[in-house]
Amino acid sequence: QSALTQPASVSGSPGQSITFSCNESSSDIGTYNLVSWYQQYPGKAPKLLIYEGGKRPSGVSNRFFGSKSGNTASLTISGLQTEDEADYYCSSYTGTNTLVVFGAGTKLTV
Amino acid sequence: QVQLQESGPGLVKPSETLSLTCSVSGGSISTYYWSWIRQPPGKGLEWIGYAHYTGSTNFNPSLKSRVTISIDRSKDQFSLTLSSVTAADTAFYFCTRGSRSPFGSFSFDSWGQGTLVTVSS
Repeated sequence: QSALTQPASVSGSPGQSITFSCNESSSDIGTYNLVSWYQQYPGKAPKLLIYEGGKRPSGVSNRFFGSKSGNTASLTISGLQTEDEADYYCSSYTGTNTLVVFGAGTKLTV
Repeated sequence: QVQLQESGPGLVKPSETLSLTCSVSGGSISTYYWSWIRQPPGKGLEWIGYAHYTGSTNFNPSLKSRVTISIDRSKDQFSLTLSSVTAADTAFYFCTRGSRSPFGSFSFDSWGQGTLVTVSS
């Protein structure tokens, strides 16, 4: 089973751009970038920010951008705002036994 | 705008069966992959499994032997049962609506608010 590795925490200042990484141990990300990204505030349900690597659902700000390089998917937030302070999870399709795998999440401090 | 709402007991005894229901409103229960995802307090997300309106299901291998997910189309509800629970099953349980890409990947665009289920005697 592949694993998704995320840094435990990142921090930034208002107005900056910040990038979260999600590294997959197998080659799936490198092939298609099937990664989704979710934002979760404490005590709340996660919210879908990015799907299929770089697509944004309706209503999600264009400050959120998904990309990939090799086996690492990335979420970039531009124009960082204090309201962006939350936990961010990546998720991918392994193509094997477990169809959906989540990373451990990254806590963003603004 | 589809809305999902979990319901069920907040406390389950060890070795018993956890049962939750998700009510779907504002949209059809057809077409999508209706999934359960859980999150132990202070920890990360874990996908439990899905049921599709066609009747197909798929589960996390780590839970597969204990999990059932079913859809009641007449009530626009889907349900989760998890048998032989232990303290390790204590978590927030979220019901979600999933979509599958042509490449097979899933994304979950609608979530219930989540319900905390505690396993304790």
